[in-house]
Amino acid sequence: DAKTTQPNSMESNEEEPVHLPCNHSTISGTDYIHWYRQLPSQGPEYVIHGLTSNVNNRMASLAIAEDRKSSTLILHRATLRDAAVYYCILRDIYNNNDMRFGAGTRLTVKP
Amino acid sequence: EPEVTQTPSHQVTQMGQEVILRCVPISNHLYFYWYRQILGQKVEFLVSFYNNEISEKSEIFDDQFSVERPDGSNFTLKIRSTKLEDSAMYFCASSEEGLAYSYNEQFFGPGTRLTVL
Repeated sequence: DAKTTQPNSMESNEEEPVHLPCNHSTISGTDYIHWYRQLPSQGPEYVIHGLTSNVNNRMASLAIAEDRKSSTLILHRATLRDAAVYYCILRDIYNNNDMRFGAGTRLTVKP
Repeated sequence: EPEVTQTPSHQVTQMGQEVILRCVPISNHLYFYWYRQILGQKVEFLVSFYNNEISEKSEIFDDQFSVERPDGSNFTLKIRSTKLEDSAMYFCASSEEGLAYSYNEQFFGPGTRLTVL
């Protein structure tokens, strides 16, 4: 699987937008970009995924660069409950049952 | 909302003993997975299972590990002879589909903390 690079940690203030970046310069044409997060003492949970176009759902938005070499997860109004480790994962369209997690970005939300 | 459940939440065992970790995936899901997370480290893929057989496994999933779907609801991970380094949180997950192009969000359980003494 192609690798992703994320900052180790980020901070945000409550009720402000958060932009979590992910670089994936070796992404292939068949890789989907998935985001999961892991709240403290819980299993990972799905946030959003996309291929080429920007995506929105009730949790977040995903902005994908035109060349697909980077993407940004956007939380529009961070809450204390959004404090978690956020993982950007590439998954091949044909291949893949498993997910290979990196270290992710630890998001701290300050009241 | 349907969810993946895991039992027990915490298992303590002696080195060399066999342990079985149990999971009940979401009922209409067809793909099942085990991951582990050593304290303070990243989540690591162990194995995926579909149609009663292993579809992928990582280098971690050696002969000490096995998985089984003994009935229509449970999915188990067995560690034959536990080692100290097997101490970790073990997460079960399931998904409707297996391929990334379809909507195949993986739903994770709350985990079983395995402590090997």
